Amino acid sequence: ETGVTQSPTHLIKTRGQQVTLRCSSQSGHNTVSWYQQALGQGPQFIFQYYREEENGRGNFPPRFSGLQFPNYSSELNVNALELDDSALYLCASSLDQYNEQFFGPGTRLTVL
Amino acid sequence: QKEVEQNSGPLSVPEGAIASLNCTYSDRVSQSFFWYRQYSGKSPELIMSIYSNGDKEDGRFTAQLNKASQYVSLLIRDSQPSDSATYLCAATRRDGDYKLSFGAGTTVTVRA
Repeated sequence: ETGVTQSPTHLIKTRGQQVTLRCSSQSGHNTVSWYQQALGQGPQFIFQYYREEENGRGNFPPRFSGLQFPNYSSELNVNALELDDSALYLCASSLDQYNEQFFGPGTRLTVL
Repeated sequence: QKEVEQNSGPLSVPEGAIASLNCTYSDRVSQSFFWYRQYSGKSPELIMSIYSNGDKEDGRFTAQLNKASQYVSLLIRDSQPSDSATYLCAATRRDGDYKLSFGAGTTVTVRA
């Protein structure tokens, strides 16, 4: 157990809808990173938040957005869902932007 | 060219044997390297971190890094059925770009 929690565990949405995924970082960690993992592939970096500021972004469109709260928990929002957004969404927390990243259990999103 | 590439696998080894996993990376600025283990349907679990050239041992796991050859490897000694999983190699730059870049993973099956 890493102490990183994510909710919900599973989610089913239809194309065009919006979704919010949540992550609570490990105690003492101020950095949260989000990844998308499609079946059979390695995780792909979406973005990172460090002390409530976006600290880097991968090759994802603007409909993927996020924020980090003062307690360092974080949200990932995806608008206008597409079928290809179906994936495992992983949140990772770290002591700071330089340190090892520890993953939560993930949220399995299915877009129909 | 992908940033991180792993030997394709799958890799099947008998119980008690050594499993050898390989990973190459294209970005010479990469500084830190990680091996994650991912059981089917679960999230990645950090098992090894390595930052400098040479070997690093932790129990039955040994990570090897050669920055000149841009090569990272993981050896699993005395393989057990519980080691059956997908192993993900990841690299990060730590120079203002803190994302983890993952390979696609190598699936290991340990035969009892």
